[in-house]
Amino acid sequence: GESVGLHLPTLSVQEGDNSIINCAYSNSASDYFIWYKQESGKGPQFIIDIRSNMDKRQGQRVTVLLNKTVKHLSLQIAATQPGDSAVYFCAENREDSSYKLIFGSGTRLLVRP
Amino acid sequence: SAVISQKPSRDICQRGTSLTIQCQVDSQVTMMFWYRQQPGQSLTLIATANQGSEATYESGFVIDKFPISRPNLTFSTLTVSNMSPEDSSIYLCSADRETGELFFGEGSRLTVL
Repeated sequence: GESVGLHLPTLSVQEGDNSIINCAYSNSASDYFIWYKQESGKGPQFIIDIRSNMDKRQGQRVTVLLNKTVKHLSLQIAATQPGDSAVYFCAENREDSSYKLIFGSGTRLLVRP
Repeated sequence: SAVISQKPSRDICQRGTSLTIQCQVDSQVTMMFWYRQQPGQSLTLIATANQGSEATYESGFVIDKFPISRPNLTFSTLTVSNMSPEDSSIYLCSADRETGELFFGEGSRLTVL
């Protein structure tokens, strides 16, 4: 079977509840952040992004919050569905490296029916 | 939207052999990257594939082990040379969209015996 997410921290939520996935980044010079979703056997899929001149950005059922003071990023998923079960990665683009993304360690989201 | 195709999708190889992974994008892109994802881990950037010039490697990765080609704006190859079991990983090709986000192929799952 697919081993992606096997050793990653796991967040287990009830279907219909809201999920919050957190990420700490290291470089204060990073100015662009992306959340990716990776399902078993697939490549990472773009969810939502945010630039450093923003604190919050909303998409369809997802919200990303950026706290530059403590270098923290979070992904909120509203009304979590079974199809949201996956591994979620944050990634940062460092100001001095155009388009080169550095990925965080990832969180596995399990949605209980 | 643009799509990345990778070949092979998976392979089982013998120690000491080499394998070349192909990455084809269905539209011209500026930047292409190769990532490695070891079992249960996050994504680690191997190198930036530069069109018409030598790839730019990240710390810990060298050209002799991971030679990369990028002959045009839609195609790149990554070779994993003289493989050992420690090279068993998912190798992912990515490219940039005009918006700045990176999109990924489905990955090439390599097992070295």
